[in-house]
Amino acid sequence: DGGITQSPKYLFRKEGQNVTLSCEQNLNHDAMYWYRQDPGQGLRLIYYSQIVNDFQKGDIAEGYSVSREKKESFPLTVTSAQKNPTAFYLCASSNPGISYEQYFGPGTRLTVT
Amino acid sequence: GQNIDQPTEMTATEGAIVQINCTYQTSGFNGLFWYQQHAGEAPTFLSYNVLDGLEEKGRFSSFLSRSKGYSYLLLKELQMKDSASYLCAPTPDSNYQLIWGAGTKLIIKP
Repeated sequence: DGGITQSPKYLFRKEGQNVTLSCEQNLNHDAMYWYRQDPGQGLRLIYYSQIVNDFQKGDIAEGYSVSREKKESFPLTVTSAQKNPTAFYLCASSNPGISYEQYFGPGTRLTVT
Repeated sequence: GQNIDQPTEMTATEGAIVQINCTYQTSGFNGLFWYQQHAGEAPTFLSYNVLDGLEEKGRFSSFLSRSKGYSYLLLKELQMKDSASYLCAPTPDSNYQLIWGAGTKLIIKP
């Protein structure tokens, strides 16, 4: 079955530590996205990538970093510079040129204390 | 700028009909998505409107008026499992980005 996987579902870290969230897709999609969602709010774009080895900042990129070394993988690192990292993180992918529809992974809930 | 407006929360009764409105202002427009998101889960695709008019898909229908910057999602024969947030997301330009509204939390009561 094709889809997007994110692991783990729940992640706990101490303040000051960097943490990397994984995102893998086997849909053969060119574009991948990272969103952050806070309670009662919509999705805010952190980073996106439309092709391997290239990515762009979204609306709230400060304190985050990404890489896109393989088409299937788009990991997100939440650095200690991110002031309020506790949130629900969603990874998505799409196939530009065919459809605007974005497909989502199950999400990772990060709690930093 | 980009702006999307949806009601924060709505309540409806099981078996009834509810309409969730969305108004938007974007720099350019290609189409508009509606997604459903249950608490703690990922959004899932419901509909995509490009042209003006109503598109029906089972119990769910979505309407678009491009000239008015307005869309609505109509849910019929409401079931308890329809309790979720409904996200309106226009696509403003050609780089395939979606702009996400804050969502409307729909509460279904027996």
